[in-house]
This record gives sequence, C-alpha cells and structure tokens, in this order.
Amino acid sequence: GDSVTQTEGLVTLTEGLPVMLNCTYQTIYSNPFLFWYVQHLNESPRLLLKSFTDNKRTEHQGFHATLHKSSSSFHLQKSSAQLSDSALYYCALSGYGSSGNKLIFGIGTLLSVKP
Amino acid sequence: EAAVTQSPRNKVAVTGGKVTLSCNQTNNHNNMYWYRQDTGHGLRLIHYSYGAGSTEKGDIPDGYKASRPSQENFSLILELATPSQTSVYFCASGGDSSNSDYTFGSGTRLLVI
Repeated sequence: GDSVTQTEGLVTLTEGLPVMLNCTYQTIYSNPFLFWYVQHLNESPRLLLKSFTDNKRTEHQGFHATLHKSSSSFHLQKSSAQLSDSALYYCALSGYGSSGNKLIFGIGTLLSVKP
Repeated sequence: EAAVTQSPRNKVAVTGGKVTLSCNQTNNHNNMYWYRQDTGHGLRLIHYSYGAGSTEKGDIPDGYKASRPSQENFSLILELATPSQTSVYFCASGGDSSNSDYTFGSGTRLLVI
C-alpha cells in the first residue's frame, strides 16, 4: 500500500545553518500529490507546501521542496534556519485508488533550532 | 472564515466511561477525518467520512466509533474509554480531490484515568 518515510525523528540545528528534512514515499499511483505540513508547539498542523509536478521546485515561506518521481522523494529544504522554524514537520502523500483521497502521513520530524 | 472547530479542548475521563469528541466545519468539505497524535507515531487515522451518513474505518479504528449526522458535523465516540486512549485528537476536513489539502481543528487533549 501507500506509505511515507521520514527517516529522522529529531533534527537539531544551529540558527543560520541549512535545513534538509528527508521524505520518501511508496505508491502505486503514477501521479501522486506530496505535501509538507508544519505543526508548532500547542498548535494544529497546517499546510506548508505541496506539489505534484515532477522536478519542479515549490517554495513557500522560505522553504522549498522538489518532487522527484525517479527517486520517490520530496525533501524539505531551507537555506538558513531560524529559531521560529522549530516545529514538527510532516510529509504526506495523497493516496489514490483503494485509499481514495486520504492523506497518508509520515511519522514526522521534529526540527529544533538552537541559537 | 472557513474553519474546523473541535470541542472540548481538554477532557478528563474515567476508565470505562463514554467520551464524545465533536467537530464542526464550515469549509463545505465532503470529507472529514479523525486522527490521534502520539509521540513516535505521528498522525494516525481513526475514522473518516465522505459525507453525511457515511463513516469509514481508518488505520486504528478499534475502540472508537464515528458519526456524521450532517455535512458540518463529525463526532468521535469512545464507548468504553481506556487509559491507552489518552492522546491528542485532531479533526480535519478536506481532501475532496487528490490535490486538495486538509484543514485541521485545534485538537482535543484527552486524559483517561
């Protein structure tokens, strides 16, 4: 079935360093939609960015990600981490076929940015 | 402004008691979802609905029931609450098409003692 893998449970960075959070997926659907959600402490998850176009960079609020269907990846990046980026980040896949349009979430990566 | 509203925000329940978590959306979405969030497990889907009168089992439905009496309302029911159901519960609406995202409610913190 469809699945999303986020390999890092916790990423700790110093402010100003680049951010890269990994996301890979498995799906039988040839045209998947991929999403990144961000959840700050004591808040609910909200959409950060999404994409379905192969090899096209998508940007929002300083973050960017590129869907690579050849490697089934959708890594989240930012050139310079800020303290306010500390949050839980979820990668998600729009399931199709037997899953309908349900979003399938990875287990999340907690990003902690230190001064 | 379109929104997803959950109630209550916090709930303490006794083991064996009945708990009902409520969710209301003004997004006019067909699809609604209930997730629980636990450290190390991320967001796990409990039940979902494609419209009024429909409920479907998600990945972890055991111990939970759901009810969708109208387009706007979707409830999660714990008939016999257990301490293992202590968690943060999120309701969401959206996903009516494959490129559409979800709007989440603010969450309900449930403690079962």
